[in-house]
Amino acid sequence: NAGVMQNPRHLVRRRGQEARLRCSPMKGHSHVYWYRQLPEEGLKFMVYLQKENIIDESGMPKERFSAEFPKEGPSILRIQQVVRGDSAAYFCASSQKETGSGGEQFFGPGTRLTVL
Amino acid sequence: SQKIEQNSEALNIQEGKTATLTCNYTNYSPAYLQWYRQDPGRGPVFLLLIRENEKEKRKERLKVTFDTTLKQSLFHITASQPADSATYLCALDKNNAGNMLTFGGGTRLMVKP
Repeated sequence: NAGVMQNPRHLVRRRGQEARLRCSPMKGHSHVYWYRQLPEEGLKFMVYLQKENIIDESGMPKERFSAEFPKEGPSILRIQQVVRGDSAAYFCASSQKETGSGGEQFFGPGTRLTVL
Repeated sequence: SQKIEQNSEALNIQEGKTATLTCNYTNYSPAYLQWYRQDPGRGPVFLLLIRENEKEKRKERLKVTFDTTLKQSLFHITASQPADSATYLCALDKNNAGNMLTFGGGTRLMVKP
């Protein structure tokens, strides 16, 4: 059973371009979470999705950022018109059930975004 | 505001000793608390979950305590090994609704041979 897959592992973009980060959850997991880790800082929650639904996006900036988890295919975190401050490691996690029920989150290896 | 605090200074210990890491929180009433390990350049890996009605939980060389009165969790690694060197993160669910983990800043552990 493959773990959480993220691609690309490294992404370089120039200011103003778009960044698309992909996450395939573990098989059988229907809950996906995105986190951002800035250099020398902790993990910050961004968004929680279930298939075709955004459940909680309270940690995601209102502008330029969007996320989806379609019925088929991976979850996508999209950043439009990137700025240097978006440079960070973006981690995706998945769980089989809501964490509140005792289901731990399984993290992917992350995508390291560098904005030039 | 809600805060989760871990000692930001690295913890250096000798191989074979017990490492103890602290996680303090304010303005939370967590139903459970989780501990994760993160190695450089990798995603966090789940280690243990302890519920509010559990005082202590063990897994191999790991032990976690949870004091809801002190609002503190302690994470112990006994008989530490150099391979235990990593950053350890504690995490709480913001509103016990199963949708958002808030992480502490992590404590870096260095175990010297």
